Amino acid sequence: GIQVEQSPPDLILQEGANSTLRCNFSDSVNNLQWFHQNPWGQLINLFYIPSGTKQNGRLSATTVATERYSLLYISSSQTTDSGVYFCAVTGGFNYGQNFVFGPGTRLSVLP
Amino acid sequence: EPEVTQTPSHQVTQMGQEVILRCVPISNHLYFYWYRQILGQKVEFLVSFYNNEISEKSEIFDDQFSVERPDGSNFTLKIRSTKLEDSAMYFCASSPGLPQHFGDGTRLSIL
Repeated sequence: GIQVEQSPPDLILQEGANSTLRCNFSDSVNNLQWFHQNPWGQLINLFYIPSGTKQNGRLSATTVATERYSLLYISSSQTTDSGVYFCAVTGGFNYGQNFVFGPGTRLSVLP
Repeated sequence: EPEVTQTPSHQVTQMGQEVILRCVPISNHLYFYWYRQILGQKVEFLVSFYNNEISEKSEIFDDQFSVERPDGSNFTLKIRSTKLEDSAMYFCASSPGLPQHFGDGTRLSIL
């Protein structure tokens, strides 16, 4: 099946700093979403981004489908950004439509 | 904005008991999913459901699991005889195709 890797596994930032999280996948995808899992365990959808670039406030994401990676940018980080960030993909025609999740990046933003 | 609703938010059950987790997908969605996340691990696909039948299932989804859409609004996951290793967060998701929308999850604790 399709493989998803995320880096870095852990990231500690001072409040106000910027960061880039990376997601690599092993085959072509027809869906890619970024999620933030908050301390209560909820999965918050950040972006639906199978290709291209999107921005939402301090967050933006870019997926380069031909090179099989996606990046999530967090600018001016806040303590509420802490949690685990997951990338999830669904493959193309040869794969099912269920998500394959990456292992996540655990972000800690310190005050 | 419409949401996927899951109940209960937390379920505590004795090992060997049956448990039913409930989900109300977004009303015009056609595809339904269950995922599982064991504490500290990544989210894993269990099963997808379309047109009143299972469309895909993972190796985790063995004979102790079943899904049902008993009426036009609910989507349930039943675990017949729970084991300690079933303790996890269970997420329901629905989609019109793409993207997938996730509920807040049910935390299942098996004693």
